[in-house]
Amino acid sequence: DGGITQSPKYLFRKEGQNVTLSCEQNLNHDAMYWYRQDPGQGLRLIYYSQIVNDFQKGDIAEGYSVSREKKESFPLTVTSAQKNPTAFYLCASSIEKQGGVRNIQYFGAGTRLSVL
Amino acid sequence: KQEVTQIPAALSVPEGENLVLNCSFTDSAIYNLQWFRQDPGKGLTSLLLIQSSQREQTSGRLNASLDKSSGRSTLYIAASQPGDSATYLCAATSGTYKYIFGTGTRLKVLA
Repeated sequence: DGGITQSPKYLFRKEGQNVTLSCEQNLNHDAMYWYRQDPGQGLRLIYYSQIVNDFQKGDIAEGYSVSREKKESFPLTVTSAQKNPTAFYLCASSIEKQGGVRNIQYFGAGTRLSVL
Repeated sequence: KQEVTQIPAALSVPEGENLVLNCSFTDSAIYNLQWFRQDPGKGLTSLLLIQSSQREQTSGRLNASLDKSSGRSTLYIAASQPGDSATYLCAATSGTYKYIFGTGTRLKVLA
């Protein structure tokens, strides 16, 4: 089955700790994204990557880092510099054109991060 | 700067009712408009995507329309069921990699 796999489903971070959220896709999509979702605020873009070895900051990149060494993988690290990391994190991917339709975006099941 | 608004934030209806969810956007220069469903604690599931050249898309009991001139999209759900209870989000694509999301409408269908 093609799709996007996020792990873990739940993650707990201690003060001063960096944690990494995994996102893997087997849809052969070029573009991948990380969003943060807080109650009542909708989805906000953290980082996105158009191709391997390239990524761009989104609207709320401070305190986060990413890498894109493989097409299938786009891990997100929440660093100790992110002072309010408690949120639901969603990974997505898209292909520029699929069956003549542009930019359909597909999502993983999410990772809920909490601070201990 | 593109802004997307969804009203109402929450809606409760009795089972069997037809209902309309609204999505407004400020910049009419969009590639497409995508509607998603999100169940509590889950990811987003794509429901319908309307390309900028289209007026509407249909899938089963769902129909989404797009009016770029007025900056509006609607999601029509026919004969609502308790299983339709979820949060519905719309997202406007203003560039190849730029998706702007609304804050969603939380729908509850009462049995």
